[in-house]
Amino acid sequence: GESVGLHLPTLSVQEGDNSIINCAYSNSASDYFIWYKQESGKGPQFIIDIRSNMDKRQGQRVTVLLNKTVKHLSLQIAATQPGDSAVYFCAENFSSGSARQLTFGSGTQLTVLP
Amino acid sequence: GAGVSQSPSNKVTEKGKDVELRCDPISGHTALYWYRQSLGQGLEFLIYFQGNSAPDKSGLPSDRFSAERTGGSVSTLTIQRTQQEDSAVYLCASSLDRGVAGGREQFFGPGTRLTVL
Repeated sequence: GESVGLHLPTLSVQEGDNSIINCAYSNSASDYFIWYKQESGKGPQFIIDIRSNMDKRQGQRVTVLLNKTVKHLSLQIAATQPGDSAVYFCAENFSSGSARQLTFGSGTQLTVLP
Repeated sequence: GAGVSQSPSNKVTEKGKDVELRCDPISGHTALYWYRQSLGQGLEFLIYFQGNSAPDKSGLPSDRFSAERTGGSVSTLTIQRTQQEDSAVYLCASSLDRGVAGGREQFFGPGTRLTVL
């Protein structure tokens, strides 16, 4: 399954399938991106990050892809598990000037079906 | 503790009352952030502290909101004369914030759920 940011805020996948969550970011000057996972009642938890000089970065069961041409970020979760059910946020940051805050997307709710 | 802590975890108050929310960042983290998250929404930046520099208050929605960070560690977010639209989860995060050198990952606390009746 595939979700496209603001237009499809929910994504349901079968346990064991791969998940792809998409995010369109806003600032072409952003040079650092993070994916966060937020479970119900908890604060966001870091999953993986990527700098703008990279196109792809892999972690444990997760891969982040960055396409700077179209300002698009995606998170791929391999072999999705019930514990992956959460809201996933992408966030962008640019290092110039004094701005250090992350700008967050609105999030995608991932539901893993048994 | 090892992570960011916030207190209280829940706060119910009456419209017009003042509230104080507390954040204890990770020891050694120089940067501290406050965000607001309304139900089913993303995170809205409120304020950012970095070391001894003047805080970035650009995200504060009104002059009823203010924050302090004492001794470069604990921070308090104060909301005066609370309104019902202030009801949200208030999240605090900290980071090493080394800018381009790295350490920009933010570690979040569990949040304080504020309900204004």
